[in-house]
Amino acid sequence: AQKITQTQPGMFVQEKEAVTLDCTYDTSDQSYGLFWYKQPSSGEMIFLIYQGSYDEQNATEGRYSLNFQKARKSANLVISASQLGDSAMYFCAMREGMEYGNKLVFGAGTILRVKS
Amino acid sequence: DTAVSQTPKYLVTQMGNDKSIKCEQNLGHDTMYWYKQDSKKFLKIMFSYNNKELIINETVPNRFSPKSPDKAHLNLHINSLELGDSAVYFCASSPLAGGPSIQYFGAGTRLSVL
Repeated sequence: AQKITQTQPGMFVQEKEAVTLDCTYDTSDQSYGLFWYKQPSSGEMIFLIYQGSYDEQNATEGRYSLNFQKARKSANLVISASQLGDSAMYFCAMREGMEYGNKLVFGAGTILRVKS
Repeated sequence: DTAVSQTPKYLVTQMGNDKSIKCEQNLGHDTMYWYKQDSKKFLKIMFSYNNKELIINETVPNRFSPKSPDKAHLNLHINSLELGDSAVYFCASSPLAGGPSIQYFGAGTRLSVL
């Protein structure tokens, strides 16, 4: 079974508008972490935002926020005021309990294109 | 100063050759990783080392051998390269425990096997 599902292979958004990238996850662990990474066309992996399973508040980092709905096992990334430089591939990832050695399991990614 | 640096950035080689990719981190992290990103952009863990000790080996062929001379370095050696080894290989590092344990990635090494 897929541990991380990103159902949107590609998304378009108009510059300056907000966009939500979907991510659902599957785990039986109580303690886990959820991450979003950005991969621009240059290829590097850039950490954006983290949400812990016990965090009661949704994480925010500048224009990025994470809409965490634990009961629905979703961790959607919201990018506000989109910029042309936001065009990239976005990956959702999960780290389960420590017995898994701290590895990240990634989703298939969503390509975001920001239109001017 | 690059936090996680990998060399080389590009590697083109013939089938059957042996090659190495080097990784160094200056973040003082305990744990280092190798991930493989295939042609469909799917990322998967290969290995994880904590303080020079192997803690994850994710059913990777034994042609791949990681080596950690110290906790700041994790190199990947690949023997008898095959066409299917063509991919982007990412090194990453993180603190092992405490807090979010965020993994920071290097810029990747694009390996092309001809």
